[in-house]
Amino acid sequence: GDSVTQMEGPVTLSEEAFLTINCTYTATGYPSLFWYVQYPGEGLQLLLKATKADDKGSNKGFEATYRKETTSFHLEKGSVQVSDSAVYFCALRDTGNQFYFGTGTSLTVIP
Amino acid sequence: DSGVTQTPKHLITATGQRVTLRCSPRSGDLSVYWYQQSLDQGLQFLIQYYNGEERAKGNILERFSAQQFPDLHSELNLSSLELGDSALYFCASSVPLNTEAFFGQGTRLTVV
Repeated sequence: GDSVTQMEGPVTLSEEAFLTINCTYTATGYPSLFWYVQYPGEGLQLLLKATKADDKGSNKGFEATYRKETTSFHLEKGSVQVSDSAVYFCALRDTGNQFYFGTGTSLTVIP
Repeated sequence: DSGVTQTPKHLITATGQRVTLRCSPRSGDLSVYWYQQSLDQGLQFLIQYYNGEERAKGNILERFSAQQFPDLHSELNLSSLELGDSALYFCASSVPLNTEAFFGQGTRLTVV
């Protein structure tokens, strides 16, 4: 069945460091791909999305490119801030409108 | 604000009890999803409803049940509660298009 695999955490970075969180997926058809962010004590919020191959989603300095050939949707940010500390979830929505989430990657950014 | 409302925000109850969690989806969203998030299990899909009908089931225990009403709000019923049921329960809603799901703030259930 469909699934999402993302990089295990936790990840700790210094402020202004480069961030990559890897995400790969398994799906039939052409799913939509998402990154969600969860701040402490809150629900999941959409960070960015891509609905077809080669699309690049971007928001708040984060970006991810839908790579069908490698079935990947890696999250990147060039310079992280303390306020980016959160848990990040990669997810896909399949053609049957089911959502599949990765296990989440906890990011802590230290000043 | 995602537009998805969950009540209550916090719930503390004893083992063996039964509770009901409520979710109001965004206006116009026909699909409702329920998820359980615990520290060691990540985000677990429980069940999905679409326009009042059950659409998909995930790792939902037999002690748990859900329904979606004609006004599209949904309730998740948890019975014979155990300590291990303590978790955050999230509701999400979406439209039947190729778009994202919108999450509520969650209900934190503590079973003592």
